[in-house]
Amino acid sequence: AQSVTQLDSQVPVFEEAPVELRCNYSSSVSVYLFWYVQYPNQGLQLLLKYLSGSTLVKGINGFEAEFNKSQTSFHLRKPSVHISDTAEYFCAVSGPGNTGKLIFGQGTTLQVKP
Amino acid sequence: GAGVSQSPSNKVTEKGKDVELRCDPISGHTALYWYRQSLGQGLEFLIYFQGNSAPDKSGLPSDRFSAERTGGSVSTLTIQRTQQEDSAVYLCASRSGTLPTDTQYFGPGTRLTVL
Repeated sequence: AQSVTQLDSQVPVFEEAPVELRCNYSSSVSVYLFWYVQYPNQGLQLLLKYLSGSTLVKGINGFEAEFNKSQTSFHLRKPSVHISDTAEYFCAVSGPGNTGKLIFGQGTTLQVKP
Repeated sequence: GAGVSQSPSNKVTEKGKDVELRCDPISGHTALYWYRQSLGQGLEFLIYFQGNSAPDKSGLPSDRFSAERTGGSVSTLTIQRTQQEDSAVYLCASRSGTLPTDTQYFGPGTRLTVL
């Protein structure tokens, strides 16, 4: 079975500092990996996804993530965060079969302080 | 264009009552998903519809939960005899295209509170 672990439930960081949100997955088959962001009282929005090819994936709002197969990780990074990046971030893996259903991690709350 | 919409945005009900939650997907999207977001369980897949194919119900937590999709568009998630552990935010997502890796677009969710 596939699963996703987000290692930090909360990450506080000061504005303009770099940030890394960690995600590890387990799967016995090839996976597709996703990062979603959820702003307060809103639905989920796709930040970026890894399907194949280059292991460094760039997404919206200056975020990027690196797929590391040997470490089964897909960490999300941003070199300089803004107050507006305060939100909850979810890592997800595409589940078994060809349905596209997503298996999510528990989420990481990014708190950007002025 | 219009995104995925869900109604109601909030629903408060008493234990034992039935509730219906509605999802309007993006026009033309053939795939539709329901997920549940709760404090204890995080984000969980519930059910998946694709065109006229039989739905994937593997995520439904009990037989009190059911869903239908009429005319390949609007979907309704029904919870019968609600329990307090059903309290959660229910999210709907839709996807275009034939590839399961195409982007899923999420609605704002329905917050269900069972008293």
